[in-house]
Amino acid sequence: GENVEQHPSTLSVQEGDSAVIKCTYSDSASNYFPWYKQELGKGPQLIIDIRSNVGEKKDQRIAVTLNKTAKHFSLHITETQPEDSAVYFCAAHYGQNFVFGPGTRLSVLP
Amino acid sequence: ETGVTQTPRHLVMGMTNKKSLKCEQHLGHNAMYWYKQSAKKPLELMFVYNFKEQTENNSVPSRFSPECPNSSHLFLHLHTLQPEDSALYLCASSQQRGGEQFFGPGTRLTVL
Repeated sequence: GENVEQHPSTLSVQEGDSAVIKCTYSDSASNYFPWYKQELGKGPQLIIDIRSNVGEKKDQRIAVTLNKTAKHFSLHITETQPEDSAVYFCAAHYGQNFVFGPGTRLSVLP
Repeated sequence: ETGVTQTPRHLVMGMTNKKSLKCEQHLGHNAMYWYKQSAKKPLELMFVYNFKEQTENNSVPSRFSPECPNSSHLFLHLHTLQPEDSALYLCASSQQRGGEQFFGPGTRLTVL
């Protein structure tokens, strides 16, 4: 089955700096990779996604890159702001389900 | 705010209690899911319903019993739980099975 690893588990950055979170997956059949942001007391919310026929996707300050050969994908957040502080989850679509990474707690320090 | 609501938001129960979690989606979706979220662990898929029919049970103990009376409502009935069942229980829905998922805020369950 699919296995998704995510690093780092915690990340602290200064406001205005960039943050990068990396995920790897094991099954080359996975073809859709969403990223979720979970704020305290809330459920995960989709922030960006990428399909396997695309190498990069950008939406304002966030971007996702995918390397199919190496089976890894990354979330990039530029010009971080305090409201970016949350737990971020990557996921890989496998079969009809999603397999999630364990999450990265991002803290943006003012 | 998503179109998926969950009640209660917090629940404390003893090991011999019976309680139910409720999820309602206002998005017109056809698939609904229950996930368990424990600290520092990936989300664990528990159950999947598609058009009110259960399509997946991920080896969940029988002390968890799901019910889906219609495409908009999903319940998780709890009975004789263990302290290790304490977690955040998330409900999600998607337009079709395997599609983009929208999550509710979760129920924080504590089993004493």
